Amino acid sequence: AQSVAQPEDQVNVAEGNPLTVKCTYSVSGNPYLFWYVQYPNRGLQFLLKYITGDNLVKGSYGFEAEFNKSQTSFHLKKPSALVSDSALYFCAVRALGLSFGAGTTVTVRA
Amino acid sequence: GAVVSQHPSRVICKSGTSVKIECRSLDFQATTMFWYRQFPKQSLMLMATSNEGSKATYEQGVEKDKFLINHASLTLSTLTVTSAHPEDSSFYICSARDMARLNQPQHFGDGTRLSIL
Repeated sequence: AQSVAQPEDQVNVAEGNPLTVKCTYSVSGNPYLFWYVQYPNRGLQFLLKYITGDNLVKGSYGFEAEFNKSQTSFHLKKPSALVSDSALYFCAVRALGLSFGAGTTVTVRA
Repeated sequence: GAVVSQHPSRVICKSGTSVKIECRSLDFQATTMFWYRQFPKQSLMLMATSNEGSKATYEQGVEKDKFLINHASLTLSTLTVTSAHPEDSSFYICSARDMARLNQPQHFGDGTRLSIL
Protein backbone atom coordinates (compact mmCIF):
# COMPACT_ATOMS: atom_id res chain seq x y z
CA ALA A 1 0.00 0.00 0.00
CA GLN A 2 1.15 3.54 -0.68
CA SER A 3 0.27 6.70 1.17
CA VAL A 4 1.42 10.23 1.82
CA ALA A 5 0.95 12.46 4.81
CA GLN A 6 0.95 16.22 4.94
CA PRO A 7 1.06 17.02 8.65
CA GLU A 8 0.09 20.68 8.34
CA ASP A 9 -3.33 21.79 7.17
CA GLN A 10 -2.13 25.37 6.84
CA VAL A 11 1.15 27.23 6.50
CA ASN A 12 1.30 30.99 6.88
CA VAL A 13 4.38 32.98 5.95
CA ALA A 14 5.26 36.58 5.20
CA GLU A 15 6.21 37.51 1.67
CA GLY A 16 9.94 37.21 1.17
CA ASN A 17 10.36 34.58 3.87
CA PRO A 18 11.24 30.95 3.20
CA LEU A 19 8.34 28.58 2.62
CA THR A 20 8.33 24.90 3.55
CA VAL A 21 5.46 22.47 3.02
CA LYS A 22 6.01 19.08 4.61
CA CYS A 23 5.31 15.65 3.16
CA THR A 24 6.14 12.13 4.30
CA TYR A 25 5.41 9.00 2.35
CA SER A 26 5.01 5.28 2.72
CA VAL A 27 5.51 3.00 -0.24
CA SER A 28 7.01 -0.38 -0.97
CA GLY A 29 9.86 -0.17 -3.40
CA ASN A 30 11.23 2.98 -4.97
CA PRO A 31 8.87 5.93 -4.72
CA TYR A 32 7.73 8.17 -7.52
CA LEU A 33 6.96 11.43 -5.71
CA PHE A 34 5.19 14.54 -6.98
CA TRP A 35 4.12 17.98 -5.86
CA TYR A 36 1.09 19.69 -7.36
CA VAL A 37 -0.47 23.09 -6.73
CA GLN A 38 -4.16 23.91 -7.00
CA TYR A 39 -5.62 27.39 -7.34
CA PRO A 40 -9.32 28.00 -6.54
CA ASN A 41 -11.73 26.21 -8.88
CA ARG A 42 -8.89 24.87 -10.98
CA GLY A 43 -7.32 21.51 -11.61
CA LEU A 44 -3.90 20.55 -10.37
CA GLN A 45 -0.72 21.98 -11.82
CA PHE A 46 2.45 19.94 -11.74
CA LEU A 47 5.36 21.53 -9.83
CA LEU A 48 8.07 18.89 -9.65
CA LYS A 49 8.80 15.22 -9.33
CA TYR A 50 11.37 12.80 -7.95
CA ILE A 51 11.92 9.57 -9.83
CA THR A 52 15.60 8.88 -9.35
CA GLY A 53 18.89 10.75 -9.28
CA ASP A 54 19.73 13.87 -7.29
CA ASN A 55 17.86 14.17 -4.02
CA LEU A 56 17.31 17.89 -4.55
CA VAL A 57 14.76 18.45 -7.27
CA LYS A 58 14.09 21.84 -8.81
CA GLY A 59 10.71 22.63 -10.28
CA SER A 60 8.42 25.36 -11.54
CA TYR A 61 8.03 28.87 -10.08
CA GLY A 62 11.21 28.64 -7.99
CA PHE A 63 10.08 25.65 -5.95
CA GLU A 64 12.34 22.77 -5.01
CA ALA A 65 11.99 19.62 -2.95
CA GLU A 66 14.43 17.37 -1.18
CA PHE A 67 14.00 13.63 -1.22
CA ASN A 68 15.16 12.10 2.07
CA LYS A 69 15.02 8.34 2.00
CA SER A 70 15.98 7.78 5.63
CA GLN A 71 13.22 10.09 6.85
CA THR A 72 10.82 9.09 4.03
CA SER A 73 10.18 12.76 3.40
CA PHE A 74 9.78 14.95 0.36
CA HIS A 75 9.35 18.50 1.68
CA LEU A 76 8.57 21.32 -0.73
CA LYS A 77 10.55 24.52 -0.32
CA LYS A 78 10.84 27.99 -1.75
CA PRO A 79 13.54 30.39 -0.52
CA SER A 80 11.43 33.54 -0.86
CA ALA A 81 7.64 33.23 -0.95
CA LEU A 82 5.37 35.46 -3.00
CA VAL A 83 1.77 36.44 -2.31
CA SER A 84 0.90 34.67 -5.58
CA ASP A 85 2.15 31.39 -4.07
CA SER A 86 -0.95 31.31 -1.86
CA ALA A 87 -2.74 28.12 -2.94
CA LEU A 88 -3.46 24.51 -1.98
CA TYR A 89 -0.47 22.19 -2.30
CA PHE A 90 -0.63 18.42 -2.67
CA CYS A 91 2.09 15.86 -2.29
CA ALA A 92 1.51 12.59 -4.15
CA VAL A 93 3.11 9.19 -4.55
CA ARG A 94 2.52 6.93 -7.48
CA ALA A 95 2.46 3.27 -8.23
CA LEU A 96 -0.21 2.98 -10.93
CA GLY A 97 -2.52 5.77 -9.87
CA LEU A 98 -1.64 8.71 -7.69
CA SER A 99 -2.26 8.74 -3.96
CA PHE A 100 -2.58 12.25 -2.61
CA GLY A 101 -1.91 13.77 0.76
CA ALA A 102 -4.70 15.76 2.38
CA GLY A 103 -3.32 19.01 1.07
CA THR A 104 -1.75 22.07 2.73
CA THR A 105 -3.19 25.53 2.30
CA VAL A 106 -0.43 28.09 1.98
CA THR A 107 -1.16 31.73 2.66
CA VAL A 108 1.53 34.29 1.96
CA ARG A 109 0.78 37.70 3.44
CA ALA A 110 2.11 40.87 1.90
CA GLY B 1 -0.41 25.14 -22.53
CA ALA B 2 -3.02 22.73 -21.27
CA VAL B 3 -2.51 19.12 -22.25
CA VAL B 4 -5.75 17.86 -20.74
CA SER B 5 -9.00 19.60 -21.56
CA GLN B 6 -12.05 19.10 -19.36
CA HIS B 7 -15.51 20.33 -20.31
CA PRO B 8 -17.73 21.84 -19.07
CA SER B 9 -16.08 23.86 -16.34
CA ARG B 10 -19.33 24.45 -14.49
CA VAL B 11 -22.74 22.86 -14.50
CA ILE B 12 -25.84 23.90 -12.58
CA CYS B 13 -28.86 21.71 -13.07
CA LYS B 14 -31.97 20.35 -11.44
CA SER B 15 -32.14 17.20 -9.39
CA GLY B 16 -32.75 14.13 -11.55
CA THR B 17 -30.77 15.41 -14.51
CA SER B 18 -27.91 13.37 -16.01
CA VAL B 19 -24.71 15.29 -16.59
CA LYS B 20 -21.86 14.32 -18.91
CA ILE B 21 -18.30 15.55 -18.35
CA GLU B 22 -15.65 15.16 -21.04
CA CYS B 23 -11.92 14.74 -20.57
CA ARG B 24 -9.60 14.97 -23.55
CA SER B 25 -5.86 14.52 -23.83
CA LEU B 26 -4.73 17.11 -26.35
CA ASP B 27 -1.31 16.06 -27.57
CA PHE B 28 -0.75 12.54 -26.36
CA GLN B 29 -2.51 9.21 -26.24
CA ALA B 30 -3.93 8.23 -22.90
CA THR B 31 -4.85 4.59 -22.56
CA THR B 32 -5.59 5.34 -18.93
CA MET B 33 -7.44 8.30 -17.50
CA PHE B 34 -8.45 8.91 -13.91
CA TRP B 35 -11.53 10.54 -12.44
CA TYR B 36 -11.34 12.26 -9.08
CA ARG B 37 -13.84 13.95 -6.83
CA GLN B 38 -12.89 16.77 -4.51
CA PHE B 39 -14.95 18.20 -1.65
CA PRO B 40 -14.27 21.73 -0.39
CA LYS B 41 -10.89 22.06 1.29
CA GLN B 42 -10.23 18.37 0.94
CA SER B 43 -7.92 16.21 -1.08
CA LEU B 44 -8.72 14.44 -4.33
CA MET B 45 -10.44 11.10 -3.98
CA LEU B 46 -9.95 8.67 -6.83
CA MET B 47 -13.32 7.51 -8.11
CA ALA B 48 -12.33 5.30 -11.01
CA THR B 49 -9.66 4.44 -13.50
CA SER B 50 -10.80 4.64 -17.08
CA ASN B 51 -9.23 2.19 -19.51
CA GLU B 52 -9.49 2.67 -23.26
CA GLY B 53 -11.51 -0.07 -24.86
CA SER B 54 -12.43 -1.83 -21.65
CA LYS B 55 -14.48 -1.38 -18.51
CA ALA B 56 -13.50 1.19 -15.95
CA THR B 57 -12.14 0.13 -12.58
CA TYR B 58 -14.10 1.71 -9.74
CA GLU B 59 -12.83 2.42 -6.25
CA GLN B 60 -14.61 0.91 -3.31
CA GLY B 61 -17.80 2.74 -2.46
CA VAL B 62 -18.26 4.37 -5.87
CA GLU B 63 -21.50 3.36 -7.57
CA LYS B 64 -20.87 2.09 -11.07
CA ASP B 65 -24.43 2.71 -12.20
CA LYS B 66 -24.35 6.23 -10.82
CA PHE B 67 -21.07 7.30 -12.36
CA LEU B 68 -20.87 5.90 -15.88
CA ILE B 69 -17.47 6.03 -17.52
CA ASN B 70 -16.79 5.59 -21.20
CA HIS B 71 -13.29 5.61 -22.70
CA ALA B 72 -13.99 5.02 -26.36
CA SER B 73 -10.81 6.49 -27.80
CA LEU B 74 -7.20 7.13 -26.82
CA THR B 75 -7.93 10.81 -26.27
CA LEU B 76 -11.39 10.94 -24.75
CA SER B 77 -13.00 9.70 -21.56
CA THR B 78 -16.43 10.74 -20.35
CA LEU B 79 -18.01 10.65 -16.91
CA THR B 80 -21.80 10.71 -16.76
CA VAL B 81 -23.44 11.42 -13.44
CA THR B 82 -26.82 9.77 -13.84
CA SER B 83 -29.95 11.11 -12.16
CA ALA B 84 -27.89 13.59 -10.18
CA HIS B 85 -28.97 14.67 -6.72
CA PRO B 86 -27.74 17.47 -4.46
CA GLU B 87 -25.33 15.12 -2.68
CA ASP B 88 -23.54 14.63 -6.01
CA SER B 89 -22.60 18.29 -6.05
CA SER B 90 -18.83 18.45 -6.03
CA PHE B 91 -15.72 19.34 -8.00
CA TYR B 92 -14.82 16.59 -10.45
CA ILE B 93 -11.33 16.44 -11.94
CA CYS B 94 -9.92 14.16 -14.59
CA SER B 95 -6.31 13.35 -15.31
CA ALA B 96 -4.42 11.43 -17.94
CA ARG B 97 -1.04 9.84 -18.35
CA ASP B 98 1.00 9.56 -21.49
CA MET B 99 1.57 5.82 -21.40
CA ALA B 100 4.53 6.15 -23.76
CA ARG B 101 6.29 8.26 -21.11
CA LEU B 102 5.62 6.53 -17.84
CA ASN B 103 8.06 8.65 -15.81
CA GLN B 104 6.16 11.81 -16.62
CA PRO B 105 3.54 13.20 -14.25
CA GLN B 106 -0.16 12.93 -14.68
CA HIS B 107 -1.73 15.94 -16.32
CA PHE B 108 -4.95 17.30 -14.90
CA GLY B 109 -7.94 18.99 -16.41
CA ASP B 110 -9.21 22.22 -14.88
CA GLY B 111 -12.10 20.45 -13.21
CA THR B 112 -15.88 20.64 -13.42
CA ARG B 113 -17.90 22.30 -10.68
CA LEU B 114 -21.19 20.40 -10.51
CA SER B 115 -24.05 21.99 -8.59
CA ILE B 116 -27.33 20.10 -8.31
CA LEU B 117 -30.29 22.17 -7.15
